[in-house]
Amino acid sequence: SQTIHQWPATLVQPVGSPLSLECTVEGTSNPNLYWYRQAAGRGLQLLFYSVGIGQISSEVPQNLSASRPQDRQFILSSKKLLLSDSGFYLCAWSKGAEQYFGPGTRLTVT
Amino acid sequence: DQQVKQNSPSLSVQEGRISILNCDYTNSMFDYFLWYKKYPAEGPTFLISISSIKDKNEDGRFTVFLNKSAKHLSLHIVPSQPGDSAVYFCAVEGAQKLVFGQGTRLTINP
Repeated sequence: SQTIHQWPATLVQPVGSPLSLECTVEGTSNPNLYWYRQAAGRGLQLLFYSVGIGQISSEVPQNLSASRPQDRQFILSSKKLLLSDSGFYLCAWSKGAEQYFGPGTRLTVT
Repeated sequence: DQQVKQNSPSLSVQEGRISILNCDYTNSMFDYFLWYKKYPAEGPTFLISISSIKDKNEDGRFTVFLNKSAKHLSLHIVPSQPGDSAVYFCAVEGAQKLVFGQGTRLTINP
């Protein structure tokens, strides 16, 4: 069966520091991969998606970036965090219409 | 421009009764619709879906209804159980991406 991992589970970072969140998927090949953010009390906002290695589409202009160095690895990065980057970050994978989510990373920027 | 709207931010239902969660969408070109359930500090889990060629899909206690002419989607949970207390998101699929509503917090009272 397929599983999706995200780490770390929680992260507290100062403003201006870099960020790297990692997501890996097991049990499937060539999945579509997604990064979402859920801000406090808000819905799920799609940040990036990827249909293959090195193929990244950005949905929202911001100071975040994403990379897909391997088929089942998706990384979310920032060079300098802003206070507004705080939120709950979710990675998801799909092979069809349904998407399956990881456990999430709670990021607090102080 | 919200393509998917869940107009009720919260809903409270007595245990054993029916819970009805609603969702409206704007684009008649959407052809696949999904419901997700989310507990705090966890990733959303896929519940049930429906394609535009159907108007009803049932899975155990969960039934999704689609009214294409009204561009309206609803999720019925019957009977409601305490473990159903969570935030429910509707989503529409298009171009390998999901667009989510803002979510409705369902509370089941004993």
